[in-house]
Amino acid sequence: SQTIHQWPATLVQPVGSPLSLECTVEGTSNPNLYWYRQAAGRGLQLLFYSVGIGQISSEVPQNLSASRPQDRQFILSSKKLLLSDSGFYLCAWGTGGLDTQYFGPGTRLTVL
Amino acid sequence: GEDVEQSLFLSVREGDSSVINCTYTDSSSTYLYWYKQEPGAGLQLLTYIFSNMDMKQDQRLTVLLNKKDKHLSLRIADTQTGDSAIYFCAESPLDNQGGKLIFGQGTELSVKP
Repeated sequence: SQTIHQWPATLVQPVGSPLSLECTVEGTSNPNLYWYRQAAGRGLQLLFYSVGIGQISSEVPQNLSASRPQDRQFILSSKKLLLSDSGFYLCAWGTGGLDTQYFGPGTRLTVL
Repeated sequence: GEDVEQSLFLSVREGDSSVINCTYTDSSSTYLYWYKQEPGAGLQLLTYIFSNMDMKQDQRLTVLLNKKDKHLSLRIADTQTGDSAIYFCAESPLDNQGGKLIFGQGTELSVKP
């Protein structure tokens, strides 16, 4: 069966520090991968998606970047965090056929 | 443009039925989804319905789709305190690139004992 992991679960970082969040998927090949941010207002904002290794599409201009160095690994990064980067970051995978997406447990990021 | 709207809050008593409503704008959507998010957790897929269906039932869950009015609802029978969570509806537009979904803002369901 497929599983999706996110690391770390929680993170507290100072403003201006770098960021690296990791997402890995097991039990499937060539998944579509997605990064979302859920701010305090609850809505989900799609940040990036990837349909293959090295293929990244950015949905909104921002302080963050994403990379997909391996088929089942998706990384969210920043060189310098802003206060507004605080939120709950969710990774998801999908096959693209049914368009169903399956979510990881999330990373709670607090920027101080 | 694409937009999915839900009311933000719903409060029911334990044992009652809950009905969570959603409206969407893209009539070409192929699939419509309901996700559940418990506090501090990721989203869990509850159920989905294909756009050519009117209804789908899965144990305590009933999904109704009115394609003419672009209205989707999720009914939870015999609501329990464990059903307290945020419920998101999502649509999958036909001209979808990369399998993206369009999510609503979520409805927070509060179940009182």
